[in-house]
Amino acid sequence: AQKITQTQPGMFVQEKEAVTLDCTYDTSDPSYGLFWYKQPSSGEMIFLIYQGSYDQQNATEGRYSLNFQKARKSANLVISASQLGDSAMYFCAMREGSNTGKLIFGQGTTLQVKP
Amino acid sequence: EAGVVQSPRYKIIEKKQPVAFWCNPISGHNTLYWYLQNLGQGPELLIRYENEEAVDDSQLPKDRFSAERLKGVDSTLKIQPAELGDSAVYLCASSLDGGLGLNTGELFFGEGSRLTVL
Repeated sequence: AQKITQTQPGMFVQEKEAVTLDCTYDTSDPSYGLFWYKQPSSGEMIFLIYQGSYDQQNATEGRYSLNFQKARKSANLVISASQLGDSAMYFCAMREGSNTGKLIFGQGTTLQVKP
Repeated sequence: EAGVVQSPRYKIIEKKQPVAFWCNPISGHNTLYWYLQNLGQGPELLIRYENEEAVDDSQLPKDRFSAERLKGVDSTLKIQPAELGDSAVYLCASSLDGGLGLNTGELFFGEGSRLTVL
């Protein structure tokens, strides 16, 4: 069964507007972490934001925020004020439990920012 | 601080040939990961090391793939013999404390090694 699901293969957004990239996850472990990574065409995976399962508040990092809805098992990434440089592939990932650092990745969403 | 270094960036070989990829993690990071990324897909874990011990190699095709991290620092991933379906990007990543402790456990990735098998 898919542990991480990203249902949007591709998204378009106008420059300076906000965009939400969807991510749902599946786990029975009460302790887990959720991550978002950006992968531009150069190929490097860039860490954006982290949300722990016990965190009370939604994570924010600059223009990135994570809309964490635990009961719905969703961890959507919100990018505000999109820039042309935001055009990339975005991956949601999950780490289960307290004794492993393995990340399980979703299939990714390609975001294109239009001028 | 230097990031995760991988080499080569690109490799083109014919099927049945051997190939090796090298990775040097961030200094002090005890956990090292090799991921496989097919075109348009998310990365999939091949093997994870904590220091020199392979703690998760369940997804590594052991008939043709091997990996080592002899001194708990840099690592080599080998494919012998390569098949057409092995064409992909091989990503190396490292983290501190295997994702435990006070940090978020984020993984730091190298730029990847893109393999093309003809």
